Amino acid sequence: KAGVTQTPRYLIKTRGQQVTLSCSPISGHRSVSWYQQTPGQGLQFLFEYFSETQRNKGNFPGRFSGRQFSNSRSEMNVSTLELGDSALYLCASSLNRAGGNTEAFFGQGTRLTVV
Amino acid sequence: GENVEQHPSTLSVQEGDSAVIKCTYSDSASNYFPWYKQELGKGPQLIIDIRSNVGEKKDQRIAVTLNKTAKHFSLHITETQPEDSAVYFCAASISGYSTLTFGKGTMLLVSP
Repeated sequence: KAGVTQTPRYLIKTRGQQVTLSCSPISGHRSVSWYQQTPGQGLQFLFEYFSETQRNKGNFPGRFSGRQFSNSRSEMNVSTLELGDSALYLCASSLNRAGGNTEAFFGQGTRLTVV
Repeated sequence: GENVEQHPSTLSVQEGDSAVIKCTYSDSASNYFPWYKQELGKGPQLIIDIRSNVGEKKDQRIAVTLNKTAKHFSLHITETQPEDSAVYFCAASISGYSTLTFGKGTMLLVSP
C-alpha cells in the first residue's frame, strides 16, 4: 500500500508570494491533517480535513488555508509569504473511523524556504 | 487546549543501554498517545501508541507506559542500537479526533 505522498519536496519562494502544497493520503483514508514543523516551535497543528470539510483548525493566521477534494487529496495554500513561514510542512493521513482509530501516518514533508 | 511536555530534550546512551523518554499532558480528556520517530530528512514515523484503557504496551525492544492519574506516559527502548538514533516525539489526542498535540522532541544519540 502506498504511503502518504507530498509534493513538491522542496520549494523556494520570495516574500509576498503565495504557495500551494499538495498531499495524497493513503488509499481509503479520509482524514488529512497538516502540521508545520520548525526548530523553535516544533510540530504545530494547522488544520484537518475530513470528507472535504475542515473539521478543526489550529492557531495560525488566515494566510494559511486548505481544502480537500472528493478523492481525499488535500492542498494547503499560504498567501503573502513571510520569512517566518520557512518550515517543513507535513501532511498526515488517518482512517479516522467512528469510535477512534486515530493512527496518523505522515508524509516526507515539503521543505519551504522563503527568501 | 492540550499541552504536552517532553523530557529530556537530548539523550546520549551507549549501544546496548536502555533509553527512557517521558511526557506529561494537561487535558484529562486525552486518551490516545502515539510516539513518533523522525530521522533526518524524513517525516515522523509512528512506532508505537497506547490508549487510555491500557497501562503498558510492548513491541519487541520498545515499550510505552501510561499513568492516567498522573497524566504522564513514557517510552522505553531496551538494547539500543545506533540505528535508534533519531528525534522522538510524543503526542496526545482525543480518540475520534485526528488533531495531535506534540511534545518538543527528544534527540536520541546511540554511540557504538
